[in-house]
Amino acid sequence: DGGITQSPKYLFRKEGQNVTLSCEQNLNHDAMYWYRQDPGQGLRLIYYSQIVNDFQKGDIAEGYSVSREKKESFPLTVTSAQKNPTAFYLCASSIVVQHTDTQYFGPGTRLTVL
Amino acid sequence: AQSVTQLDSHVSVSEGTPVLLRCNYSSSYSPSLFWYVQHPNKGLQLLLKYTSAATLVKGINGFEAEFKKSETSFHLTKPSAHMSDAAEYFCVVSTYSGGGADGLTFGKGTHLIIQP
Repeated sequence: DGGITQSPKYLFRKEGQNVTLSCEQNLNHDAMYWYRQDPGQGLRLIYYSQIVNDFQKGDIAEGYSVSREKKESFPLTVTSAQKNPTAFYLCASSIVVQHTDTQYFGPGTRLTVL
Repeated sequence: AQSVTQLDSHVSVSEGTPVLLRCNYSSSYSPSLFWYVQHPNKGLQLLLKYTSAATLVKGINGFEAEFKKSETSFHLTKPSAHMSDAAEYFCVVSTYSGGGADGLTFGKGTHLIIQP
């Protein structure tokens, strides 16, 4: 059963803590993405990766970090430098980074700062 | 640069009546255009996409969209709404600028309400 999994589904963070969101795909896709969704807003790109050991900043990368050590995994760390991290985070993947390519989305992680 | 505008933040229709969700885009290059649907607290699911082939695109669940270059529009339609269509719909534009991937630019979404 191919797809994208994200964990956890809900995550609570205290002020000043770093937290890591997991994203795994078994679609054999080269490209992976992280988006942030706020109420009443579309999705905004945080980071993307075209291939293992490579990643690029998106529109709102400040306060976030990523790694891509394995093709199937693209974890996102929300650092204490991110001033307003409460949001819904979505991971996606595509065969390659190409504008005609469909991105497939995971079910999302809802992060709340206490 | 690229942008997308969804003209209605909320659309309410009665079950069995037609659905029209409006989307206009701006792009310096030939775009790819997508419609995604999101049910509450879920990820996004692709409904359909346009990638410079036929201008009338048919998608899943009876949805279709027409690419109109002269109007820079990509409106989503369905002849007869079903209660299960109630969700958030996102129009998305994607352009490869040649200098690196732009990723997807999302509209702010249209909340579709289906009245029984």
